[in-house]
Amino acid sequence: GAGVSQTPSNKVTEKGKYVELRCDPISGHTALYWYRQSLGQGPEFLIYFQGTGAADDSGLPNDRFFAVRPEGSVSTLKIQRTERGDSAVYLCAPGAGVGLRWVADTQYFGPGTRLTVL
Amino acid sequence: AQKVTQAQTEISVVEKEDVTLDCVYETRDTTYYLFWYKQPPSGELVFLIRRNSFDEQNEISGRYSWNFQKSTSSFNFTITASQVVDSAVYFCALSSNTGGFKTIFGAGTRLFVKA
Repeated sequence: GAGVSQTPSNKVTEKGKYVELRCDPISGHTALYWYRQSLGQGPEFLIYFQGTGAADDSGLPNDRFFAVRPEGSVSTLKIQRTERGDSAVYLCAPGAGVGLRWVADTQYFGPGTRLTVL
Repeated sequence: AQKVTQAQTEISVVEKEDVTLDCVYETRDTTYYLFWYKQPPSGELVFLIRRNSFDEQNEISGRYSWNFQKSTSSFNFTITASQVVDSAVYFCALSSNTGGFKTIFGAGTRLFVKA
């Protein structure tokens, strides 16, 4: 996706391990969104940031998931005690954010991180 | 609650046929945005179009066209003269201010175009 990089592109881990997934939006969008796409399904919202703060984390499945965006640009999604059901592609997308006009802004997605929990 | 329904799970056509992918949405907001994305086998989500709720004009881009009808809450996508390279999963999506502009996706329609 234009202006977004995600690392790593692939991550294989064992059940119970801790993982961090990184999203680096190249341009200075105020908002940043995380989604999860399980096999055969559409992406599902996890959390979004307005600047440094999490404006809506209602999509995080449980307290093993946490995300930060300390400087308002790069964001890290953290998953503790991974489970096999966490296996999915994790996508991030920059956005203009609430209250701003969307005339010139469209939600592009990063290439995603494919997480496999064995 | 907001919802996007893509009733067609899979569609298979022969090259050069026209094909329409259906999308029905639900929202209580008066201002909202509708999207279509393409996800080829490589996996990336490719943005195709965004329409806002105040603009019901149909749009054509090459072989692609979109029919937005608020009266039926539908935003259908037609590919004219389909090609093998059109084979992919297509997602319809919705976002609005009430939801903080988070995007709600349909389950997707897998399109197979056979040579």
